[in-house]
Amino acid sequence: QQQVKQSPQSLIVQKGGISIINCAYENTAFDYFPWYQQFPGKGPALLIAIRPDVSEKKEGRFTISFNKSAKQFSLHIMDSQPGDSATYFCAASRLTGANNLFFGTGTRLTVIP
Amino acid sequence: EAGVAQSPRYKIIEKRQSVAFWCNPISGHATLYWYQQILGQGPKLLIQFQNNGVVDDSQLPKDRFSAERLKGVDSTLKIQPAKLEDSAVYLCASSLGRGVWGTEAFFGQGTRLTVV
Repeated sequence: QQQVKQSPQSLIVQKGGISIINCAYENTAFDYFPWYQQFPGKGPALLIAIRPDVSEKKEGRFTISFNKSAKQFSLHIMDSQPGDSATYFCAASRLTGANNLFFGTGTRLTVIP
Repeated sequence: EAGVAQSPRYKIIEKRQSVAFWCNPISGHATLYWYQQILGQGPKLLIQFQNNGVVDDSQLPKDRFSAERLKGVDSTLKIQPAKLEDSAVYLCASSLGRGVWGTEAFFGQGTRLTVV
């Protein structure tokens, strides 16, 4: 059972545009929602994370929007750049106990110059 | 600060052979994870250690996979015998395991395993 569902599978955006990736989760016990960026041949790198006590978190051009009642969260990349071209994974976990990450299936983002 | 180190980077073996992967986590990180990432998919947890104890190994195919974390630092993951469907990238990650952001996991570059 896929605990975290992610869409779209791929995304093409013009330079300067906004990239939006959406995720939905099932387990209401999750209380930590990170986004990871992965370049080919590299391991995932933490981009930004949010806890459900806030509805939005912004770090530079990256923003997470969180809707607890809908069990959904999304990543917005403002002013997308060619260097942002990578695969993005949303994830969810608990903060305590068996706190392993459950990952979405990934979104391959391509930013066209 | 040194990141999570993994070796080897690549490994090609024949089915039914055995293989081992090594991971050195970030210094001071109590929690260590092994994830399997099949091409085109998100990573999936195989096993989680807290210090040298197992927290979760429910998704580890124990008939062929084994892992250990001696002295609560380095870890090895072994597959014996390997199957074609084990072809994947094996990622090691570590986290502090305590505190507000103790879940923040840092990943190594992974070991790409090809079983032929």
